[in-house]
Amino acid sequence: DAKTTQPNSMESNEEEPVHLPCNHSTISGTDYIHWYRQLPSQGPEYVIHGLTSNVNNRMASLAIAEDRKSSTLILHRATLRDAAVYYCILDMYSGGGADGLTFGKGTHLIIQP
Amino acid sequence: SQTIHQWPATLVQPVGSPLSLECTVEGTSNPNLYWYRQAAGRGLQLLFYSVGIGQISSEVPQNLSASRPQDRQFILSSKKLLLSDSGFYLCAWSGLAGGLTNEQFFGPGTRLTVL
Repeated sequence: DAKTTQPNSMESNEEEPVHLPCNHSTISGTDYIHWYRQLPSQGPEYVIHGLTSNVNNRMASLAIAEDRKSSTLILHRATLRDAAVYYCILDMYSGGGADGLTFGKGTHLIIQP
Repeated sequence: SQTIHQWPATLVQPVGSPLSLECTVEGTSNPNLYWYRQAAGRGLQLLFYSVGIGQISSEVPQNLSASRPQDRQFILSSKKLLLSDSGFYLCAWSGLAGGLTNEQFFGPGTRLTVL
């Protein structure tokens, strides 16, 4: 699986939007971009995924660059409960595939009240 | 709805002792099953995955093994634990559950400390 690069940590204020960047310059044409997050002492949970077009769901939005070499996870109005480690993952399967996901170190998002 | 269970939630074991962690999934059939480990301060590492009963693929060589005796049961074992086996063990499943996405769903995890 291609590698992703994320900032180690980011800080934001409650009720403000948060933009979490991810670089994936070696992405292949069949790689989907997945985002998961992990709250303290819990297992990761799925946030969103996309291939080429921007995606929206109830949790977040995913903005994908036209050349697909980068993407941004957008939390429109951060709450304290959004404080977590956010992982950007590339995988050739839309659902993570039968052979599992490759997690990096992710971005530790800190939300200030 | 689908649920995933792991037990025990926490475990403290001496070096050299055996290990058995269990994971079960409810509400779905023929899921893909996964074992991940997260060592302190590190990311998640995929250990094993299974696409069916008795089918196990190992991602990294180690003193751990996995088995899938039933469709929705996944077991992680070791005959002799090492200090380096300490960590947070997560079971996950994926499969078409009637939705548009096929994401992985993680269990609550087992925190293992080997002393």
